Amino acid sequence: DGGITQSPKYLFRKEGQNVTLSCEQNLNHDAMYWYRQDPGQGLRLIYYSQIVNDFQKGDIAEGYSVSREKKESFPLTVTSAQKNPTAFYLCASSLQGSGYEQYFGPGTRLTVT
Amino acid sequence: SQQGEEDPQALSIQEGENATMNCSYKTSINNLQWYRQNSGRGLVHLILIRSNEREKHSGRLRVTLDTSKKSSSLLITASRAADTASYFCATGAGSYQLTFGKGTKLSVIP
Repeated sequence: DGGITQSPKYLFRKEGQNVTLSCEQNLNHDAMYWYRQDPGQGLRLIYYSQIVNDFQKGDIAEGYSVSREKKESFPLTVTSAQKNPTAFYLCASSLQGSGYEQYFGPGTRLTVT
Repeated sequence: SQQGEEDPQALSIQEGENATMNCSYKTSINNLQWYRQNSGRGLVHLILIRSNEREKHSGRLRVTLDTSKKSSSLLITASRAADTASYFCATGAGSYQLTFGKGTKLSVIP
């Protein structure tokens, strides 16, 4: 089965701790994306990567970091510097840029207390 | 910044009726895409329409694009309870970034 997997589905952390969200795809897509979704809101872009070893900040990158060491993997770290980390995080991939449809993972709901 | 704005924010219809959702945007685009999201799940791509296209169909979905008015509409015909979801438009302007609106929450009552 081709697709995107995100793990875990639910994640709970104490304030002040860094946490890493996993995203893996086997679609052989070059581009990968991380979005944040708050209740009743649309998606806001955190980071995106066009190719391995390259990534760009999106609209709300502060307090987050990413890496792209393999084509299949694009993990997101939510650092303690992120002021309001509790949210639903969605990973996506596409063949190339914004002219292509994006395929989404099932999401990770992060709760920080 | 969120470019697409969907209207209405929420829509409730009876099964079998048609549902129409609108999306307005502010700047020039290369394409506009519609996605569906079931509660607590990831988004699913529905349809992509390029800036030089005016209308596109996919099954019970019909999308129109009016670049002069900077607006698009998504029509779902003969709705089913399974169509209950949030629907988002997303605009692409030639880079890697898609900009999503806040969505229309559709409820189809059996």
